[in-house]
Amino acid sequence: EAGVTQSPTHLIKTRGQQATLRCSPISGHTSVYWYQQALGLGLQFLLWYDEGEERNRGNFPPRFSGRQFPNYSSELNVNALELEDSALYLCASSLAKKASSYNEQFFGPGTRLTVL
Amino acid sequence: SQQGEEDPQALSIQEGENATMNCSYKTSINNLQWYRQNSGRGLVHLILIRSNEREKHSGRLRVTLDTSKKSSSLLITASRAADTASYFCATDIPLDNDMRFGAGTRLTVKP
Repeated sequence: EAGVTQSPTHLIKTRGQQATLRCSPISGHTSVYWYQQALGLGLQFLLWYDEGEERNRGNFPPRFSGRQFPNYSSELNVNALELEDSALYLCASSLAKKASSYNEQFFGPGTRLTVL
Repeated sequence: SQQGEEDPQALSIQEGENATMNCSYKTSINNLQWYRQNSGRGLVHLILIRSNEREKHSGRLRVTLDTSKKSSSLLITASRAADTASYFCATDIPLDNDMRFGAGTRLTVKP
């Protein structure tokens, strides 16, 4: 069974440009999560999508946005890139989350975004 | 915002020794999970412990949870060079819609 896949592996952009990152969840998973991991730091929660809807959002500015498609794949868009957006962006998928239920997330290999 | 805080930030040991990493958190949880991350790559789920459990084992891994102290520990016994990685705890919070990760402990196991 294929795991979570992300593309591209690496992305280099300049300040002010837009970046689009893609994620394909494990087959049967409806939830997709996005995290930002700056160099040497922990994961910061960005966005959670489930069944095509945004369910929760981390403490990031509106220029971080995304969407989930009918096949449950997802895109993360970062507009007006800033130098500090340089980071590893990780996508994870899980079965639909229910209240107080176990929610193991399976992670993709990440997209390393470099903003020059 | 981050919920868990791992301690220590970095740990260096010799192969064969045991490694202990700690995680503290701030609010009530449904469960706590430990993940491993090899350098610059995705995270791999190691073990989950529910809020009503106190200890759990998986191979060379032992996790404890003390909800009264809001803390957890991960013990890796008989460490190997291949255990070199960053280890993160993540908490699943009631009525919340995301998992909160700590900043991680960077473990180096020297051959």
